[in-house]
Amino acid sequence: AQSVTQLDSQVPVFEEAPVELRCNYSSSVSVYLFWYVQYPNQGLQLLLKYLSGSTLVESINGFEAEFNKSQTSFHLRKPSVHISDTAEYFCAVMPTDKLIFGTGTRLQVFP
Amino acid sequence: KAGVTQTPRYLIKTRGQQVTLSCSPISGHRSVSWYQQTPGQGLQFLFEYFSETQRNKGNFPGRFSGRQFSNSRSEMNVSTLELGDSALYLCASSPGTASYEQYFGPGTRLTVT
Repeated sequence: AQSVTQLDSQVPVFEEAPVELRCNYSSSVSVYLFWYVQYPNQGLQLLLKYLSGSTLVESINGFEAEFNKSQTSFHLRKPSVHISDTAEYFCAVMPTDKLIFGTGTRLQVFP
Repeated sequence: KAGVTQTPRYLIKTRGQQVTLSCSPISGHRSVSWYQQTPGQGLQFLFEYFSETQRNKGNFPGRFSGRQFSNSRSEMNVSTLELGDSALYLCASSPGTASYEQYFGPGTRLTVT
């Protein structure tokens, strides 16, 4: 069965510092990979996705993630975070037609 | 385009009652998926509908059911509510057969007392 592991439940960081949110997946088949962000009292917003092609994918707000097949990882990075990045981040895989989510990482950005 | 809408946003029910939640997908989207989010279990897939047919189903008891109408709007129903059904229920829509891009609504917060 496919699964997603987000190793850190919480990541505290100061504003303008770099951050990495880790995500590992297990799957015996090719998968699509996603990062979603959830702000308080809101639904999930798609941050970025890997479907095929270039292993480095970027979002419009400065986040990027790199698909590493040999390490089965899809870590999310941002070189300089803002207060507004404070949210819950979910890594997900889609082996077929449903999303399988990790348990989430709470990113807390301090001034 | 308008996003995914879910009604109601908040709901309080009593154990044993039943509840119906509604989801209107993005215009033109034919696939609707439902997820349950709880602090203990995280985000779990309930089911997916495509062109009025259930195409995929998660590991939930039969008390959880859903349907999709010809205009792609979807409803999910939970019968004989239990305290553990308290959760945020999220609906996601996607364009169609290649449904890998899912767009989520704001969710319905269900509290069972």
